[in-house]
Amino acid sequence: EAGVAQSPRYKIIEKRQSVAFWCNPISGHATLYWYQQILGQGPKLLIQFQNNGVVDDSQLPKDRFSAERLKGVDSTLKIQPAKLEDSAVYLCASSLGRTGAAFFGQGTRLTVV
Amino acid sequence: QQQVKQSPQSLIVQKGGISIINCAYENTAFDYFPWYQQFPGKGPALLIAIRPDVSEKKEGRFTISFNKSAKQFSLHIMDSQPGDSATYFCAASRRGGADGLTFGKGTHLIIQP
Repeated sequence: EAGVAQSPRYKIIEKRQSVAFWCNPISGHATLYWYQQILGQGPKLLIQFQNNGVVDDSQLPKDRFSAERLKGVDSTLKIQPAKLEDSAVYLCASSLGRTGAAFFGQGTRLTVV
Repeated sequence: QQQVKQSPQSLIVQKGGISIINCAYENTAFDYFPWYQQFPGKGPALLIAIRPDVSEKKEGRFTISFNKSAKQFSLHIMDSQPGDSATYFCAASRRGGADGLTFGKGTHLIIQP
């Protein structure tokens, strides 16, 4: 069974530029999450989708971050404009939604300079 | 407000010893408690999880102990091996894990040969 796929693996951008991350969840997983992991900390939930609807985006900085999950499968997370403090690893995870077991991708390491 | 507190921040254990990591939570609505293992450059990987209807769960060398009244849970790694050297995160979720995870800050574990 293929895992959660994310791209790119690494991205370096200048502050005020925009960036987008892509995630393909495990086949059949209805729930998709985006987490932000700052160096030395645990992941922090940004947004949760159930199929193509948003379940929880309470911690998403909506003035600069946006996410979508078209057709209930792949998802993209966008930052525009980026700030220095957005430097982090962005992790995508998916789950069946009923069992509670969430599986993570390898993440995208973003560096904002 | 940090809803899941994890300790210690770092831990050094001799090969063959027992590694113990502790977590405490505040939100009594949490009802799913997983532990994740993360190696450098990789996403978190689910190790073991417990629900509050049991006080202990064991899978191989990994055991979760759960104390509902104290709102605490811990991970025990028996016969610790150098390959167990990684960062470990406890987490908590509501709705049986269907909600997003709230993570602790992590424990950097080093197993000395």
